[in-house]
Amino acid sequence: AQRVTQPEKLLSVFKGAPVELKCNYSYSGSPELFWYVQYSRQRLQLLLRHISRESIKGFTADLNKGETSFHLKKPFAQEEDSAMYYCALLYNNNDMRFGAGTRLTVKP
Amino acid sequence: GAGVSQSPRYKVAKRGQDVALRCDPISGHVSLFWYQQALGQGPEFLTYFQNEAQLDKSGLPSDRFFAERPEGSVSTLKIQRTQQEDSAVYLCASSLGGTRKETQYFGPGTRLLVL
Repeated sequence: AQRVTQPEKLLSVFKGAPVELKCNYSYSGSPELFWYVQYSRQRLQLLLRHISRESIKGFTADLNKGETSFHLKKPFAQEEDSAMYYCALLYNNNDMRFGAGTRLTVKP
Repeated sequence: GAGVSQSPRYKVAKRGQDVALRCDPISGHVSLFWYQQALGQGPEFLTYFQNEAQLDKSGLPSDRFFAERPEGSVSTLKIQRTQQEDSAVYLCASSLGGTRKETQYFGPGTRLLVL
């Protein structure tokens, strides 16, 4: 069955430290992966998608098919990065599955 | 322009009551999605519309759940005979085109509490 796993429910780092939010997926086909973010009192919004190979707000994510991972990384975390992050998998070009989310807290 | 809006933002229902949740997508958006998000979980897909056509309702948990989008814009998610396990945030999202690969824009959600 298709599954998205975010092993950390909570992640806390200090400002300026590197941060990595882990995401693993299970899908035998060709996946399309996304990271969504929800800042406090705001709605869920797309952060980035692997197919775009972009860096948004300093975040990048590389699809590693061998390890079935799509970890989100930022070299220097900022306080405004504190939010809930969801990894999502689009499979069969049709169905979207979200992970349970990781709450990132960046301490001053 | 305005984003996706949902109403009500909060709903408390007694077990057995029927509820109706409304979603106003971004004007001109073809696709509309409903998700259910239980506490501590990510959103789970419920149903998908392309214009007025409900193309996928595979995520609806039971026949108590019904969704419609009669004119291809506003959508309503109806839950009949609510149960405590229906308590969740219900999210609506819309996207411009007719494929699921496109960026989905989410509403603020309706938080439903069934007592």
